Amino acid sequence: SAVISQKPSRDICQRGTSLTIQCQVDSQVTMMFWYRQQPGQSLTLIATANQGSEATYESGFVIDKFPISRPNLTFSTLTVSNMSPEDSSIYLCSVVPSGETQYFGPGTRLLVL
Amino acid sequence: TQLLEQSPQFLSIQEGENLTVYCNSSSVFSSLQWYRQEPGEGPVLLVTVVTGGEVKKLKRLTFQFGDARKDSSLHITAAQPGDTGLYLCAGAHTGNQFYFGTGTSLTVIP
Repeated sequence: SAVISQKPSRDICQRGTSLTIQCQVDSQVTMMFWYRQQPGQSLTLIATANQGSEATYESGFVIDKFPISRPNLTFSTLTVSNMSPEDSSIYLCSVVPSGETQYFGPGTRLLVL
Repeated sequence: TQLLEQSPQFLSIQEGENLTVYCNSSSVFSSLQWYRQEPGEGPVLLVTVVTGGEVKKLKRLTFQFGDARKDSSLHITAAQPGDTGLYLCAGAHTGNQFYFGTGTSLTVIP
């Protein structure tokens, strides 16, 4: 298993600004994922962030808007750049320590005004 | 895109009732997970099923993986208010590609 923490847990931001979300894992993991979720809805994968390589973005998500860092095997950041109200969502990181089981952080609730 | 359809999308039942949530796809998965998510928290893994036809029980929850590994079901017996939450299935392919279902929001009324 893995224990994941995210910072901040929630934030209210002005449009046009940027927010960096941190994800910390209690063990070394190769695979880390970033998701977006509207309240009560399913998860949409933004990108896969593997240490030692550039993040791989899903269709509809680009690096300029959602730059990701993965400096080591226990940490990653996702930046939501030039925010608009449409970026208001819950942002979740997850890891796959081994096998095919995924563990999630508690999420970051973002409201853009 | 590997689509996982869950049904029903919303479910509101009285405490003590039984219910079944379905997760269907046209794709074959190497494993399938079920998660429950409560408001303000991230999804929490309930179970992973890997073998076609496999049945796993977790107290009042029974999970089944279809024989062809394309679908799954979650059955809850004697639902309790603590079962309230968003239930998500997720199919995995070898190589750790995960595809999440559309979600089922369950409300159990005391």
